[in-house]
Amino acid sequence: GQQLNQSPQSMFIQEGEDVSMNCTSSSIFNTWLWYKQEPGEGPVLLIALYKAGELTSNGRLTAQFGITRKDSFLNISASIPSDVGIYFCAGEYGANSKLTFGKGITLSVRP
Amino acid sequence: GAGVSQSPSNKVTEKGKDVELRCDPISGHTALYWYRQSLGQGLEFLIYFQGNSAPDKSGLPSDRFSAERTGGSVSTLTIQRTQQEDSAVYLCASSQTAGFREQYFGPGTRLTVT
Repeated sequence: GQQLNQSPQSMFIQEGEDVSMNCTSSSIFNTWLWYKQEPGEGPVLLIALYKAGELTSNGRLTAQFGITRKDSFLNISASIPSDVGIYFCAGEYGANSKLTFGKGITLSVRP
Repeated sequence: GAGVSQSPSNKVTEKGKDVELRCDPISGHTALYWYRQSLGQGLEFLIYFQGNSAPDKSGLPSDRFSAERTGGSVSTLTIQRTQQEDSAVYLCASSQTAGFREQYFGPGTRLTVT
């Protein structure tokens, strides 16, 4: 089946630093989504990407849909302590198909 | 209402008992999904409801798991004869349109089977 790979499992950065997260697959996806999950909460949608090459920003967050349609990245600029959480990528590979989720990257921000 | 709501937020049950988990989707959303999230893992798809169509049950791990959606709104996920490996966070999501894009999640129900 479809799989999305996110690594490393954890990232530790200093407040104010930028951070980039990748999500890769051996299969083509038609939609890429990035979610953030905080403890005790459900995932919150950050950015949705629908077209290869698309670059979309949401505040300090920027995400891109890779040209090959097999990857996406999420950048967080000027990190702040509240950026802490688990960042999941998710992809859809066909109409009415299931969303496939990566295992997530846990981000820690040191003040 | 605001977002997707789920109840209970936490459930502790003894092995072998049945449990029911409830999800109230965002008003007007026609699609509803259930996922399971185990510690340190991504989200595992369980079941999907879209309007009046037959649900996609392909992710249910065993016949002990079932779900209903009444009146196209509230959904209940039932786990019969719970096992310890059923312990996880059960997340519900809804989306406005058919398909799986832009799903909005509830806070989840943390199920612990002792």
